[in-house]
Amino acid sequence: DAGITQSPRYKITETGRQVTLMCHQTWSHSYMFWYRQDLGHGLRLIYYSAAADITDKGEVPDGYVVSRSKTENFPLTLESATRSQTSVYFCASSIGGGGQETQYFGPGTRLLVL
Amino acid sequence: RKEVEQDPGPFNVPEGATVAFNCTYSNSASQSFFWYRQDCRKEPKLLMSVYSSGNEDGRFTAQLNRASQYISLLIRDSKLSDSATYLCVVNYGQNFVFGPGTRLSVLP
Repeated sequence: DAGITQSPRYKITETGRQVTLMCHQTWSHSYMFWYRQDLGHGLRLIYYSAAADITDKGEVPDGYVVSRSKTENFPLTLESATRSQTSVYFCASSIGGGGQETQYFGPGTRLLVL
Repeated sequence: RKEVEQDPGPFNVPEGATVAFNCTYSNSASQSFFWYRQDCRKEPKLLMSVYSSGNEDGRFTAQLNRASQYISLLIRDSKLSDSATYLCVVNYGQNFVFGPGTRLSVLP
């Protein structure tokens, strides 16, 4: 049972380049989330998706694009990377979107933008 | 004011000690509350949900005060393996808001 995986685990890129971070879950969870974690801010929600082809903005969506053509995949694209997007990115999934639903997190992608 | 605030920490305690973490939230519409644990350079994992009546799971006790918009986590008989960052999480609708975390180091 692979659970939720992210790739790459580490990425170094340059300002202005496009970068795509992948997230894959094997549980058929409806909801998927993308967070970034920075010192002093905790985890901040970038985008979330309630189901295939349904996505919505979170707290910090600017500079990011998501898609969800299949339930199990939720890629996050940085269209033109900036240094301020250097962060640790976590993908998460849950069966439902609220209430007492537990979020299960992937191992994270550490992104450095030079 | 941040939506979810936590004790800044770090907390350095000896094995066997009892330690309490506090968390306050600003959105009175918040519906669900959780404590997550995050080990160094790892992903967050659910420690426990927090119910209005308070709840206990072994050495861990969580309490919620909706009137004061306050959540707490009590760890009794601390173990070395409890060393981690503890994240307070508040949910309303489809929005999960994480606090910045409180780091705990349990010392031998």
